[in-house]
Amino acid sequence: GESVGLHLPTLSVQEGDNSIINCAYSNSASDYFIWYKQESGKGPQFIIDIRSNMDKRQGQRVTVLLNKTVKHLSLQIAATQPGDSAVYFCAEISYGGSQGNLIFGKGTKLSVKP
Amino acid sequence: SQTIHQWPATLVQPVGSPLSLECTVEGTSNPNLYWYRQAAGRGLQLLFYSVGIGQISSEVPQNLSASRPQDRQFILSSKKLLLSDSGFYLCAWQSQETQYFGPGTRLLVL
Repeated sequence: GESVGLHLPTLSVQEGDNSIINCAYSNSASDYFIWYKQESGKGPQFIIDIRSNMDKRQGQRVTVLLNKTVKHLSLQIAATQPGDSAVYFCAEISYGGSQGNLIFGKGTKLSVKP
Repeated sequence: SQTIHQWPATLVQPVGSPLSLECTVEGTSNPNLYWYRQAAGRGLQLLFYSVGIGQISSEVPQNLSASRPQDRQFILSSKKLLLSDSGFYLCAWQSQETQYFGPGTRLLVL
């Protein structure tokens, strides 16, 4: 079936460096993508989203890139801070599916070294 | 602004006991509501979703059930808990395409 996965389960970066978290998706019909951040013991928090008619979107210190040719999504975090340590999930939605429900990847754990 | 609440925050229950987890949303009307389960170090598994009062859709066969007695209330239940029901339960509400999550309930079945 269609799925969303992540290239790396863990990522360790130095404080102040840029982080790049990757996500591969298999449903070429997906219309909308979201990145969530989940800190330990808490619910996922919305970070940024992007629609399939865009290839880049920027937020505060975060940028999401979408490459539909290779079905790849990435989240870039600039000047990574200790507070960025968390698990990051990508999620996709295809409006052709039942109720347009989100499909989540397994997550990448980001650790920031001081 | 919209807020979503879940309780209890943590729960330890013996095998075979009943379960009731509650989720409420404030600041919105007729939201789509979702229940997810997250095993340790794993992704989110959709359990149930609801588009309105009394309307429940189940994504996977399981030991759990859900109900929506009021517009902004979503309840997850079980008559007899199994060890495999342990996990982190998350409720979410949907605005347009985006889902926003509650703080979660950590359930440990012993």
